[in-house]
Amino acid sequence: GENVEQHPSTLSVQEGDSAVIKCTYSDSASNYFPWYKQELGKGPQLIIDIRSNVGEKKDQRIAVTLNKTAKHFSLHITETQPEDSAVYFCAVHWAGTALIFGKGTTLSVSS
Amino acid sequence: DTAVSQTPKYLVTQMGNDKSIKCEQNLGHDTMYWYKQDSKKFLKIMFSYNNKELIINETVPNRFSPKSPDKAHLNLHINSLELGDSAVYFCASSQEAYGTGEGGNQPQHFGDGTRLSIL
Repeated sequence: GENVEQHPSTLSVQEGDSAVIKCTYSDSASNYFPWYKQELGKGPQLIIDIRSNVGEKKDQRIAVTLNKTAKHFSLHITETQPEDSAVYFCAVHWAGTALIFGKGTTLSVSS
Repeated sequence: DTAVSQTPKYLVTQMGNDKSIKCEQNLGHDTMYWYKQDSKKFLKIMFSYNNKELIINETVPNRFSPKSPDKAHLNLHINSLELGDSAVYFCASSQEAYGTGEGGNQPQHFGDGTRLSIL
């Protein structure tokens, strides 16, 4: 089956700095890679996604890059703000049906 | 309007009891899911239904039985609750189109979860 590794598990940055979270996956047939943000007491919320025919996608301060050859993708958050503090999950859409999640990264942005 | 809503938000019960969690989505999506998030925040798929039909059943004990009366609802019934069932259960939905060859690569929208605590 698909295996998704996510690093780091925790990340602390100062407000205004950039944050990068990386994920690797094992099944080269996987072709959809969403990122979710989970705030305390809430469900995961989709913040950006990328498909295998695209190498990079950007939405304001958030960007995702995908390297299909190396089977890894990354989330980049620029100009971080305290409200970016949350748990971030990468996921891989496997076998056309299920989302396989990474173990999450707890991002803390201090002002 | 909440897109994916789950009830109850909290569920505290004794070991051995039977309980149900309800989920409704008003997004018009074809596919609904149940995920389990453990104490370490790890999210794992349990079930997936497409147009009321079971698609995925990920090695979940028989004590867990999903029921989909229509494509907007997917309920989860759990029999003989055990301590290890304590977790947060999330319902999700997406616009999937099985059989179209797209592979179902559509965003999944999650509810806010049901925190199940077994005493």
